[in-house]
Amino acid sequence: KNEVEQSPQNLTAQEGEFITINCSYSVGISALHWLQQHPGGGIVSLFMLSSGKKKHGRLIATINIQEKHSSLHITASHPRDSAVYICAVISGGSNYKLTFGKGTLLTVNP
Amino acid sequence: EPEVTQTPSHQVTQMGQEVILRCVPISNHLYFYWYRQILGQKVEFLVSFYNNEISEKSEIFDDQFSVERPDGSNFTLKIRSTKLEDSAMYFCASSYTADTQYFGPGTRLTVL
Repeated sequence: KNEVEQSPQNLTAQEGEFITINCSYSVGISALHWLQQHPGGGIVSLFMLSSGKKKHGRLIATINIQEKHSSLHITASHPRDSAVYICAVISGGSNYKLTFGKGTLLTVNP
Repeated sequence: EPEVTQTPSHQVTQMGQEVILRCVPISNHLYFYWYRQILGQKVEFLVSFYNNEISEKSEIFDDQFSVERPDGSNFTLKIRSTKLEDSAMYFCASSYTADTQYFGPGTRLTVL
């Protein structure tokens, strides 16, 4: 069973700050997802990674397969980035089952 | 932009009743999923569905649960005899390949 841990659980930042959210997992994976959950509950997929690094606008996601660790970075944070950011993994041996972390609540103040 | 839709947005039911939660995935997607999130807890995988059959399911997905794609567009989750602990937000998702999943807005199920 894969355990997915995220840190920090809560993060408060000032607008413009560089944000880093971390995710570690216990068992080898085939892919890792970063998701964003808005206060109303809706979930949006941000990235799917199996190696290296991906960038989309101000968001950057990296993964280190050997260290079983991924990070999500937000550059020039903005209050509209305030949301819960969730890491989820697909373990090796599974094709579809996402195992989720508890999420990181990010609040960006103006 | 195409999106996954779910109905109803909120369902209230009595314990022991059957409920059917409905989802319309994105039209050319091939993989379909149900997740749930109990209030204040993390999202949990329930089941994945591909080629008209269940491809994977979690321990949560017991005999009380079933999924169906009755007409090639809707994707439904049925809970046969609801329990108090089934109260949660249920999310449907779909994907074209087994990678980026697109989530619906969720159905909040309240079991009284």
